[in-house]
Amino acid sequence: SQQGEEDPQALSIQEGENATMNCSYKTSINNLQWYRQNSGRGLVHLILIRSNEREKHSGRLRVTLDTSKKSSSLLITASRAADTASYFCATGPTGNQFYFGTGTSLTVIP
Amino acid sequence: GAGVSQSPRYKVAKRGQDVALRCDPISGHVSLFWYQQALGQGPEFLTYFQNEAQLDKSGLPSDRFFAERPEGSVSTLKIQRTQQEDSAVYLCASSFASTVATYEQYFGPGTRLTVT
Repeated sequence: SQQGEEDPQALSIQEGENATMNCSYKTSINNLQWYRQNSGRGLVHLILIRSNEREKHSGRLRVTLDTSKKSSSLLITASRAADTASYFCATGPTGNQFYFGTGTSLTVIP
Repeated sequence: GAGVSQSPRYKVAKRGQDVALRCDPISGHVSLFWYQQALGQGPEFLTYFQNEAQLDKSGLPSDRFFAERPEGSVSTLKIQRTQQEDSAVYLCASSFASTVATYEQYFGPGTRLTVT
């Protein structure tokens, strides 16, 4: 079973626009991580936000975490065609397990 | 530096065959994870090693799945008597930390297993 759920399932935007995707989860967490997966490749870690943090930035990425609503959002600013990928949130750990959502498929149109 | 590597990248097996999937983690990484990713889904946890010790195998779907990491570096995931529902991408990830919660995981490219 997967605890995290990303929303929307698919997103298509023009290059230069901002992309926002959301993650909701069910149980308490220690941290939440966002990963990117290009087609046919492994996952690449983007950013980790701890449960006591509310916002974190890394380059063009901005992540927020609202533990009271059990939700997080990932904002990619000034999107590029190379940002086209699937994005997953991973929550946990519960024991030794991180739980991945079903992902948001982002398409950036040049 | 080298990342996590997995071999083979693609494997086609006839139903009932045994398969072995290899993972070479980043040198010095203590933690190693195996995940199963079905088409259109996120990765699902299979098992976790800290050095050579398999600390969690609660995600292995059946006793046909077996993983080992005998010297605390390379790991092998073995699936016996493969079934069609085993078709998926198997991802390996490693992490520097011995505490699961602390650091991000570095993923390999995965092995795509197709059982016919």
